[in-house]
Amino acid sequence: NAGVMQNPRHLVRRRGQEARLRCSPMKGHSHVYWYRQLPEEGLKFMVYLQKENIIDESGMPKERFSAEFPKEGPSILRIQQVVRGDSAAYFCASSPKRGGWEQFFGPGTRLTVL
Amino acid sequence: QQQVKQSPQSLIVQKGGISIINCAYENTAFDYFPWYQQFPGKGPALLIAIRPDVSEKKEGRFTISFNKSAKQFSLHIMDSQPGDSATYFCAASSGETSGSRLTFGEGTQLTVNP
Repeated sequence: NAGVMQNPRHLVRRRGQEARLRCSPMKGHSHVYWYRQLPEEGLKFMVYLQKENIIDESGMPKERFSAEFPKEGPSILRIQQVVRGDSAAYFCASSPKRGGWEQFFGPGTRLTVL
Repeated sequence: QQQVKQSPQSLIVQKGGISIINCAYENTAFDYFPWYQQFPGKGPALLIAIRPDVSEKKEGRFTISFNKSAKQFSLHIMDSQPGDSATYFCAASSGETSGSRLTFGEGTQLTVNP
């Protein structure tokens, strides 16, 4: 059973470009969470999605960031007009159920904004 | 009220010793408390987790102690090994009010000397 998959593993963008980060949850998992880890810091919740629905986006910056989890295909975290402060590791986690169940993390995408 | 406070920030232990990491929380709605282990360049890996209806949970060399009245929980690593050297994060979630998004502590960098 493959784990959570994320791609790309490393992404370099120049200021003003767009970044698209992809996450495929574990087989049988329909709940996806995105977290951001700034250098030397802990993980911060960004958004929680189920298939075709955003359940909780309370951790998402108000501008430039969006997320989706379509009926078919991976979940995507999209950052428009990236700035240097967006440089971080972005982790996706998946869970089989809602409500206090184990979340399994992917290897992360390390975004560097030049 | 959503914060989880973790200490110490860093910890150095001799091989065979006991590593102890502590966390405290404020939100009494939290009902799930996992610990994650993260190696450099990797995603967090679920280590062990506890729910507030028990005071202790042990899995191999890893033990969680939970004090509901004090709103504190801790991770004990017995017979610490150099391979345990990693960053450890405590976390908490509440399925009812937050959709089970995880709130993480700041992390503890553990070094086990041979």
